[in-house]
Amino acid sequence: SQELEQSPQSLIVQEGKNLTINCTSSKTLYGLYWYKQKYGEGLIFLMMLQKGGEEKSHEKITAKLDEKKQQSSLHITASQPSHAGIYLCGADPNTDKLIFGTGTRLQVFP
Amino acid sequence: DAGITQSPRYKITETGRQVTLMCHQTWSHSYMFWYRQDLGHGLRLIYYSAAADITDKGEVPDGYVVSRSKTENFPLTLESATRSQTSVYFCATTSGAGELFFGEGSRLTVL
Repeated sequence: SQELEQSPQSLIVQEGKNLTINCTSSKTLYGLYWYKQKYGEGLIFLMMLQKGGEEKSHEKITAKLDEKKQQSSLHITASQPSHAGIYLCGADPNTDKLIFGTGTRLQVFP
Repeated sequence: DAGITQSPRYKITETGRQVTLMCHQTWSHSYMFWYRQDLGHGLRLIYYSAAADITDKGEVPDGYVVSRSKTENFPLTLESATRSQTSVYFCATTSGAGELFFGEGSRLTVL
């Protein structure tokens, strides 16, 4: 079965700093999704990547899917306290269901 | 309001009791999912449904039962709750186009 590993598990950064979260799959990714979860709340969809080499941006968050389609990175530029939360990558293993990584907990301090 | 809602949001129960978590969506999406979220494990799929009367097991189905008699509802039942089922449960739905829409979660504590 396909597995997703995220790194780092936890990240603490100072406001204004850039950061990167990685998601590595044990198998080829047919679709890679990034979600954000605020503490104690549900997940919010950030973006979806499907093509090798694809890159998408939303405000200060950029996600990339590598050419081999087995790794994705999420980059936040000039982090803000509002970026704090848990970031999860999700993958479509070419079936009906979506699987998720273990998550990266991000804290941003002033 | 349109969307996906879960109830109850918080539940405390005792070992051996039956508990049902409800999930309701107003979009008439085909697919519905139940996940549990635990520290160190991320989100794990319990059961999912591709349509009314069609359900299938996910990664961690043991101890859970689901049904889907109507497209909009997807209840999750713990027939005899155990402490290991203490978790936050999320229901999600999608039209099949990729993006999942999540409920706000149901926090279950089994004493």
